[in-house]
Amino acid sequence: GAGVSQSPSNKVTEKGKDVELRCDPISGHTALYWYRQSLGQGLEFLIYFQGNSAPDKSGLPSDRFSAERTGGSVSTLTIQRTQQEDSAVYLCASSLPWDTQYFGPGTRLTVL
Amino acid sequence: ELKVEQNPLFLSMQEGKNYTIYCNYSTTSDRLYWYRQDPGKSLESLFVLLSNGAVKQEGRLMASLDTKARLSTLHITAAVHDLSATYFCAPPEYGNKLVFGAGTILRVKS
Repeated sequence: GAGVSQSPSNKVTEKGKDVELRCDPISGHTALYWYRQSLGQGLEFLIYFQGNSAPDKSGLPSDRFSAERTGGSVSTLTIQRTQQEDSAVYLCASSLPWDTQYFGPGTRLTVL
Repeated sequence: ELKVEQNPLFLSMQEGKNYTIYCNYSTTSDRLYWYRQDPGKSLESLFVLLSNGAVKQEGRLMASLDTKARLSTLHITAAVHDLSATYFCAPPEYGNKLVFGAGTILRVKS
């Protein structure tokens, strides 16, 4: 079946611009996660959605970062006023509750 | 706060040799995941270890979990070039949020 998909695969933006990253989880998966991977920080958790519960935003690095999940499916991660330190690969994963997380191909964000 | 330490961080192996990657974590976790990442690619699930003493094997890879020692191992038997990749261990914190180790870069030389 179809895996987790993410778009765009690459995004180059200028410092100060806003960006939106999209994630389509595996159908039927109620849990959705955002992580980012950078050379300096490794793999870091950002935010987690489970069903209709309030999202766990404990990993978001600043209030410039936000995410929503519409209809329990697609999720959008928004970064406002991007900074160079936001450059990273943003990975989305989905799972059944408390089960193995399956990762999408990622969005490589470069902030110039 | 859960912290995860992997070692070694870099491993260069000859084909046919055996080696073990170690994953230590700082606080109690009842499960642990191993993932593989090829260069420029995303994370591929290898194993989930669900209880103390769990052992899983797939081909030349075998993973084990000791929750009392807060230690997981990934053992490589008779390495082949195709195993070259970066391997991550990840116990979950509350809410199933994965906390990743720094990763072990494995290079298998022929």
